[in-house]
Amino acid sequence: GAGVSQSPRYKVAKRGQDVALRCDPISGHVSLFWYQQALGQGPEFLTYFQNEAQLDKSGLPSDRFFAERPEGSVSTLKIQRTQQEDSAVYLCASSHREGLTDTQYFGPGTRLTVL
Amino acid sequence: ILNVEQSPQSLHVQEGDSTNFTCSFPSSNFYALHWYRWETAKSPEALFVMTLNGDEKKKGRISATLNTKEGYSYLYIKGSQPEDSATYLCAFMRDTGRRALTFGSGTRLQVQP
Repeated sequence: GAGVSQSPRYKVAKRGQDVALRCDPISGHVSLFWYQQALGQGPEFLTYFQNEAQLDKSGLPSDRFFAERPEGSVSTLKIQRTQQEDSAVYLCASSHREGLTDTQYFGPGTRLTVL
Repeated sequence: ILNVEQSPQSLHVQEGDSTNFTCSFPSSNFYALHWYRWETAKSPEALFVMTLNGDEKKKGRISATLNTKEGYSYLYIKGSQPEDSATYLCAFMRDTGRRALTFGSGTRLQVQP
């Protein structure tokens, strides 16, 4: 079956541009997560959705970052007025239920480079 | 601040060697420990979710152990093959009800044929 997909896979933006990153989770998965991975580090949590509800956005680094999942399936992570420090791989993950030990299945990530 | 540490940062072994890596995490407020394998240009692949002290899990030539009292987990690969070359990530979940995973920086394994 299809796994988690993300688009675009690569994005180059000029400083100050807005970008939108898309995540298509596994069909039927209730939970959806966004993580940011800077070079040489492990992924860091950004935000979590249960269906369409954003239950945890404590990891979003600034108010320039905004995520939505309006119909409880596809999610978009939007970054306004991009800065060089936003350059990273953005990973999306989904899990079948909302259980704490449910496996999170990851997409391949979007590599964002801000020039 | 949660510190999840992985060692070594990188490892080069020969095909057929057995190897192991360490993941250290806070021993308080433990809920679960996840292991992932991430090959270049692919999605991170879930290996194990471990919750109980003393847990041992196995998947083919890969196995993992968990010690929640002292805050560490070992990942073992028996008879490494070139296709095992990847970055191995561990991730810690606290018992606060939050579903966020806190990742280590990973161990990069290269297996030479």
